[in-house]
Amino acid sequence: GAVVSQHPSRVICKSGTSVKIECRSLDFQATTMFWYRQFPKQSLMLMATSNEGSKATYEQGVEKDKFLINHASLTLSTLTVTSAHPEDSSFYICSAIRTDTQYFGPGTRLTVL
Amino acid sequence: QKEVEQNSGPLSVPEGAIASLNCTYSDRGSQSFFWYRQYSGKSPELIMSIYSNGDKEDGRFTAQLNKASQYVSLLIRDSQPSDSATYLCAVPRGYGGATNKLIFGTGTLLAVQP
Repeated sequence: GAVVSQHPSRVICKSGTSVKIECRSLDFQATTMFWYRQFPKQSLMLMATSNEGSKATYEQGVEKDKFLINHASLTLSTLTVTSAHPEDSSFYICSAIRTDTQYFGPGTRLTVL
Repeated sequence: QKEVEQNSGPLSVPEGAIASLNCTYSDRGSQSFFWYRQYSGKSPELIMSIYSNGDKEDGRFTAQLNKASQYVSLLIRDSQPSDSATYLCAVPRGYGGATNKLIFGTGTLLAVQP
């Protein structure tokens, strides 16, 4: 069964609004979670590493003030896309580590109109 | 040079044939390697992991690793139409296992023809 869940699975919003995506580890604690983004016909690109109880670390070129990450508990990390624009439309996927394996959530498809 | 390289395909094979998917990586110190399968519109799912030179078999899947050549491959025997997907090769950045951030190749699209 699934070990990582994401919510929502799909979201459509207007330009300028903020969207929050939740990533939960199911039945295990994850001190580290990763957030990836995938544009159509491209591979997964790591956006940031989410660390429980501390600040997230962002990959080069990813705006930390635009993509806010909060890892407030050992089973939940959230990604908030602030002031979303059409170019932020993408497939956002989180992952969590259990027994030295990265498991991916089902993904959230964001469409910004 | 990209950190992880794959042929984007599509790789088309007839049903029942062996599909061979290849991946090269640039960091000679990499210790672990992962193959993920991604169906269209879905997130990746882990197929195989390999850490040592040689072959590792799991059902119809065989991963092959050659660290000297910085090359890892995935063989799918008796290919089925349900195997049609994009196969992603992933290597952790830095030295360590999957607890590190994964760097993905662009993926190879496999199409198994009935």
